[in-house]
Amino acid sequence: DQQVKQNSPSLSVQEGRISILNCDYTNSMFDYFLWYKKYPAEGPTFLISISSIKDKNEDGRFTVFLNKSAKHLSLHIVPSQPGDSAVYFCAASAGGGADGLTFGKGTHLIIQP
Amino acid sequence: NAGVTQTPKFQVLKTGQSMTLQCAQDMNHEYMSWYRQDPGMGLRLIHYSVGAGITDQGEVPNGYNVSRSTTEDFPLRLLSAAPSQTSVYFCASSYSGTGASTDTQYFGPGTRLTVL
Repeated sequence: DQQVKQNSPSLSVQEGRISILNCDYTNSMFDYFLWYKKYPAEGPTFLISISSIKDKNEDGRFTVFLNKSAKHLSLHIVPSQPGDSAVYFCAASAGGGADGLTFGKGTHLIIQP
Repeated sequence: NAGVTQTPKFQVLKTGQSMTLQCAQDMNHEYMSWYRQDPGMGLRLIHYSVGAGITDQGEVPNGYNVSRSTTEDFPLRLLSAAPSQTSVYFCASSYSGTGASTDTQYFGPGTRLTVL
């Protein structure tokens, strides 16, 4: 049973517009959520994170929103740029995270000129 | 700093062969881990280590061994390779593995393994 779900395998957005990537989770023990970005033939790189005690975290063009009651989080990228084209993974950890991160399957974001 | 390095980048094995995937980090991180990524799947945790001499199993540990004799190195051993182990393997490290904002996990570039 997948504990972290990214239901959109791909998303196409025009350059300059807002990109919204969604993620749902089922494990109530998750208390920390992260987004990673991955280019082909490279390892994932950390993008932004949010603790379960917050509902929003912003870093430049990137904002993550957390809705605990709905067990849903989203990543907003605005404005979208060509370099944002990549696969985005949602990940979650529980109880300090020592036993690793649980990842979603990823969403391939394509920014069109 | 080189960050997290992995060798080899590519490897082809025959069923039944054994090999070791190397992972090293130069950031003095206590926590290191191995993930595998299969097509259409997210990354799944194989094994992790919270410090030298301490290892534990993740979600998909079968067929793999690890050891952590130094802080810097965390090799992953395939004992008897099977086609189901065809995957891309990522090593990651972080200061302590708590997942806190100060505890970003840094990933290596990956090893693409094919088992025939």
